[in-house]
Amino acid sequence: NAGVTQTPKFQVLKTGQSMTLQCAQDMNHEYMSWYRQDPGMGLRLIHYSVGAGITDQGEVPNGYNVSRSTTEDFPLRLLSAAPSQTSVYFCASSYAAQGPGANVLTFGAGSRLTVL
Amino acid sequence: ILNVEQSPQSLHVQEGDSTNFTCSFPSSNFYALHWYRWETAKSPEALFVMTLNGDEKKKGRISATLNTKEGYSYLYIKGSQPEDSATYLCAPTYNQGGKLIFGQGTELSVKP
Repeated sequence: NAGVTQTPKFQVLKTGQSMTLQCAQDMNHEYMSWYRQDPGMGLRLIHYSVGAGITDQGEVPNGYNVSRSTTEDFPLRLLSAAPSQTSVYFCASSYAAQGPGANVLTFGAGSRLTVL
Repeated sequence: ILNVEQSPQSLHVQEGDSTNFTCSFPSSNFYALHWYRWETAKSPEALFVMTLNGDEKKKGRISATLNTKEGYSYLYIKGSQPEDSATYLCAPTYNQGGKLIFGQGTELSVKP
């Protein structure tokens, strides 16, 4: 099992460029989410999805776009990169958003993004 | 905005010391409390999921307690070892589950 796979691991962008961070899981998890890690701020939720075709905003959604066309994939799009989006991004997935045993997250390895 | 507070923000202890830290969260409509362990340059890993008031979980030298009425959880580490050095994150969920909003974490450093 590959678990949660994120690509790329590292990326440097110029301000205004767009890009997509890919996230794929092979565990048939219904729930997927994106977080960003910033010094002293822990993990902040950007967007999440409880199933194919369903997405919702987290704590810091501005400047990011997501879609969930399949159960396996949950890409995160930066439409016009800004230096404030320099961060490490983590994708995470779990079985079911609700009920016993829900939301025990499996995290990807992270993607480090630098916006110049 | 959900207010999840963890204290202290950082902690430096000697090998063999026992330590504990706190996670505070709103208690209304509480469903479950998650603890994660996050080592530097790695990804967070789940430690415990707790749902019942008075619940206590244990994994080796690490244990956690939960008070859902007053909205807090304690994480204890007995006889800290250098390999316990990590950031410990908590995240409550509400209304039968849903999204995880994490606290800012407690960074533990254990010196040999």
